[in-house]
Amino acid sequence: EADIYQTPRYLVIGTGKKITLECSQTMGHDKMYWYQQDPGMELHLIHYSYGVNSTEKGDLSSESTVSRIRTEHFPLTLESARPSHTSQYLCASSEDEGEWTEAFFGQGTRLTVV
Amino acid sequence: AQTVTQSQPEMSVQEAETVTLSCTYDTSESNYYLFWYKQPPSRQMILVIRQEAYKQQNATENRFSVNFQKAAKSFSLKISDSQLGDTAMYFCAFSGDNYGQNFVFGPGTRLSVLP
Repeated sequence: EADIYQTPRYLVIGTGKKITLECSQTMGHDKMYWYQQDPGMELHLIHYSYGVNSTEKGDLSSESTVSRIRTEHFPLTLESARPSHTSQYLCASSEDEGEWTEAFFGQGTRLTVV
Repeated sequence: AQTVTQSQPEMSVQEAETVTLSCTYDTSESNYYLFWYKQPPSRQMILVIRQEAYKQQNATENRFSVNFQKAAKSFSLKISDSQLGDTAMYFCAFSGDNYGQNFVFGPGTRLSVLP
């Protein structure tokens, strides 16, 4: 059973506010990912990490930033939220390469910027 | 770079019938992993089934099975005895066998199971 948690599940916030979306996993996975997904649409990788102090930008340009100070924690921050940031944000983690590698997903954070 | 294509944006099937979702991919690697993920409306993305490229036998999980054609780079998902709870977005995904490779997801197929 996947043990990856995202908070909050839903967030409505005003333009210009700073927000942090939390993601934690208890599986000890080195690899973690943030995806942006408009409802019912495809996933876009915006950030990933291969371990502590490792962060990289993904395929889709994003104004957000991430940090990886602890293995289990991979928060995503928007310094100044805008309506264009309205979307669903999915966090995922996976083991290092090896047999039966798969991605485990959190429940997502649905962000609305008004 | 690897790509994953799902040519069916939307599909529907009657309850208890069988449906096949298509997925093709492009890679130059000899070993890799393929996945089908399910995302029900407003719910968590979960793994449905996975296949390792070097295993010729098609994976099966209860009502879900795949048709893996390595030479054709095709990885279709068959859902037998469709149930209302199968209504969801289905994403085909690829993962290489080398460290430093991320998952590549297809654009998804929206499946509706009709009563």
